[in-house]
Formats: sequence, structure tokens, C-alpha cells
Amino acid sequence: GENVGLHLPTLSVQEGDNSIINCAYSNSASDYFIWYKQESGKGPQFIIDIRSNMDKRQGQRVTVLLNKTVKHLSLQIAATQPGDSAVYFCAEGGSGNQGGKLIFGQGTELSVKP
Amino acid sequence: GAVVSQHPSRVICKSGTSVKIECRSLDFQATTMFWYRQFPKQSLMLMATSNEGSKATYEQGVEKDKFLINHASLTLSTLTVTSAHPEDSSFYICSARAGSYEQYFGPGTRLTVT
Repeated sequence: GENVGLHLPTLSVQEGDNSIINCAYSNSASDYFIWYKQESGKGPQFIIDIRSNMDKRQGQRVTVLLNKTVKHLSLQIAATQPGDSAVYFCAEGGSGNQGGKLIFGQGTELSVKP
Repeated sequence: GAVVSQHPSRVICKSGTSVKIECRSLDFQATTMFWYRQFPKQSLMLMATSNEGSKATYEQGVEKDKFLINHASLTLSTLTVTSAHPEDSSFYICSARAGSYEQYFGPGTRLTVT
């Protein structure tokens, strides 16, 4: 299945450093990709999205890179802050998935050390 | 804009009883809502897709008679966990789709079955 019960990988960074979180997606027909941030006990929050006709998109302190050749997505967070500590999920969707469903990756837990 | 609420945020019920969780889109109409469950340290697992005025579409392995979904209006979907058991204890999250791809997530409902 798309979601396997694996333990979340973790990334620990120093406050002020840049963070890079990676994600491999599964469906080459997916044409819409989103990064979500989830804090403990809360629902996912939208961070940034990208369509398959782009390979890079920038937001405030965040950049998403898309490499369709190897089906890889990354989220870069500049000047990481303690408030960025959370679990980050990538999700894929679009015409390759019925009914606009999103398929979530396993997630990465980001821990920011002050 | 694009706020989704869930009620209740936390619920404890006894084994064998049923519990209903509501998902509301507060400032937009959502023809499609999605229900996920999430176990600790794991990703979101899609349970079903709920379309207003029609039967929900369940993912493989999800029992439709156990997880009853009703989407009676463009702003409300409900998930009823029937005859709950301790293994149903989980974090249940809904999302509402506003456009072709964008999904906005609720804050989640923590269900504990004793």
C-alpha cells in the first residue's frame, strides 16, 4: 500500500541552518505535489505546492524542488527556526489518482536545536 | 479562508459503542471530503472519499459497515465508528477539497476506545 507503518525518519538541525527534507513519490502520472507540516496533535497545514510543469517554486523561507525524472521532491527551509519543528509530509495527487485523492509519503520529523 | 473544523477534538468511548465525528467546511463549499486515520509516528492513511449526495468510496481494507460516512450537505460530512474497539483508537482527520486539487485539513479528532 501507499502508507507503510515505518518509523518516521528524523532530521535534526541547528537553529539558523537550512533544512532539506526529501521525498520519493510513487506515481509518474501525478501532476500535483504538496508539502504539509503537522505539529503534534494537530491536522496537517499546507506549506507549498508545485505542479508537474514546474521544477522549482519558492515561498516565504521555503522552496520546493521537483525532479520528475527520478520522482523526487524536496522541501528546503531557510534559516530554520524552533517553530519549524514538526513532521513534514509530501503528498502527490492529480490526474493519475482517482477522485483527486492525495497519497501521503511517510513523513520526516524535523527537530530544531536552539 | 478555507477553514475546516472537526468536532469533537477528543472523545473517549467504551468498547462496543458508536461515536460520530463531524467535519465542517466553515467558509467554502466542499463537494468532496476525505477521511484519514493516523497512528502515532505514522503517515496519514486515506480511509474514504465522501461526495456530497452520494455514497462514499472506501479504500481497500476499510470496512464500510464499521466506518459509516454521510455527506449530507456541501459543508458537512460525518464519520461514525460503529461498535468501536480499542484497535479503532486513532487520530481521525478530515479534509475538504475546494478546487481541483487543494485540500484543507481539519484539526483532527483523537478517539480513545476503552
